[in-house]
Amino acid sequence: AQTVTQSQPEMSVQEAETVTLSCTYDTSESDYYLFWYKQPPSRQMILVIRQEAYKQQNATENRFSVNFQKAAKSFSLKISDSQLGDAAMYFCAYRSGGYQTGANNLFFGTGTRLTVIP
Amino acid sequence: GAGVSQSPRYKVAKRGQDVALRCDPISGHVSLFWYQQALGQGPEFLTYFQNEAQLDKSGLPSDRFFAERPEGSVSTLKIQRTQQEDSAVYLCASSLVRGGREDTQYFGPGTRLTVL
Repeated sequence: AQTVTQSQPEMSVQEAETVTLSCTYDTSESDYYLFWYKQPPSRQMILVIRQEAYKQQNATENRFSVNFQKAAKSFSLKISDSQLGDAAMYFCAYRSGGYQTGANNLFFGTGTRLTVIP
Repeated sequence: GAGVSQSPRYKVAKRGQDVALRCDPISGHVSLFWYQQALGQGPEFLTYFQNEAQLDKSGLPSDRFFAERPEGSVSTLKIQRTQQEDSAVYLCASSLVRGGREDTQYFGPGTRLTVL
């Protein structure tokens, strides 16, 4: 079974600074997808960024970028120019690339709580 | 368009009561998922529908949990004879297609269930 590990329960960053959240995963598959979701106190999971395993180029979405190291099974999220609105729980998630039953659901890590200090 | 909606947002039940949680996915989305999120944890998969067919229910923790999506749109998660360990946030997600590269799941706000 796939496992996703987030070893940082809490992180903090000064407003306008950069922070990196860590995620590692374990899989024997070669085709898969990785995601970072943000969950504010409202509880709604919001997709931040996604990465396809077959792509070597790291995904970028505005101030959010990832460092995807496939051989090391590492998928970290970098948030640049941190804003107060970035404060939330951040979850790393894995999904298989196949179409077989069980391939569609997401496997989540335990989350990292990010605090942004004004 | 409108996102995924869930109701109620909060539910308090006495131990032994039955509850029903509703999910309205994004219109036209084929796939629908239910996840359970315990306090301080990441969401865990419960069950998956493709249209009205329940293709995967491997994550349902016991036979007290039942889900349906009879017309391929709205889904209901039912928990019978609730226990305290059922207290959690129940998240619903939908996606446009079944698997593949275009399959991104969009989540609702969740229902927080508290069993007393």
